[in-house]
Amino acid sequence: DTGVSQDPRHKITKRGQNVTFRCDPISEHNRLYWYRQTLGQGPEFLTYFQNEAQLEKSRLLSDRFSAERPKGSFSTLEIQRTEQGDSAMYLCASSFGQGGYNEQFFGPGTRLTVL
Amino acid sequence: QKEVEQDPGPLSVPEGAIVSLNCTYSNSAFQYFMWYRQYSRKGPELLMYTYSSGNKEDGRFTAQVDKSSKYISLFIRDSQPSDSATYLCAMVNSGYSTLTFGKGTMLLVSP
Repeated sequence: DTGVSQDPRHKITKRGQNVTFRCDPISEHNRLYWYRQTLGQGPEFLTYFQNEAQLEKSRLLSDRFSAERPKGSFSTLEIQRTEQGDSAMYLCASSFGQGGYNEQFFGPGTRLTVL
Repeated sequence: QKEVEQDPGPLSVPEGAIVSLNCTYSNSAFQYFMWYRQYSRKGPELLMYTYSSGNKEDGRFTAQVDKSSKYISLFIRDSQPSDSATYLCAMVNSGYSTLTFGKGTMLLVSP
C-alpha cells in the first residue's frame, strides 16, 4: 500500500497523559499536513511542513501540541497533558509541489479518546 | 459566521436519484474548490477539484463553481447505495496550500 499511513489508528488515554501519533506520507511527497476533525465537523488545519520545515501553524495548535518532521519523511504529532477536548480524529495528508495548491491525499486518521 | 457553510443533512434519496450538494463561502480569495468523500471512520478521499469558476465533470459527478455568488455545487447522477457517505467541500486561496473545509453533508442512498 503506497498511500498515507498513520499509527496508531485508535488511542485511548487518560486526561493528563501525553500521546504521540505518527504519519508516513506518500513516498517523495514533500508536503505534509495535520488536521483535526471532531464529530460532525469538517477537518480543521493544524500545521504543515514542506520537507523538514514547519511553515505554518494554526491558532488551534496550543503550546501543548508539537509536531516534527525531522528528516522530511515521516512526521509525529505530540499532545502533552491531554484534555477531554482533545478527543478527535487526527488526520494527516501529504502532497507534492512547491507553490500554491497541490492535491492532498489523506491517511485513515488516528482517533483519540481522552477519558 | 464560518468561512465555509455546508448543510450537515442528512440527505436521504432513493437509488437512481440526482443528488445536489452545495456550499457557500465568504472569502473571495478562495480560488481552488474541492469535494471530498468520507466514509464513516475513514480519511477523506478527493473526488474532484476545480480552479476558479466553471464546471467540471467526471463520470457521474459534476462540480460547479459560481464565484460571483460564492456558491459551489456537486451533482451526483444515478446515485448508488455505495455513494452513501459524508461529502465535504474544501477551498484554498491561490498561493496557499492549507484547506478550509465545510462541516460536511451526510448522504444516504437507499436501495
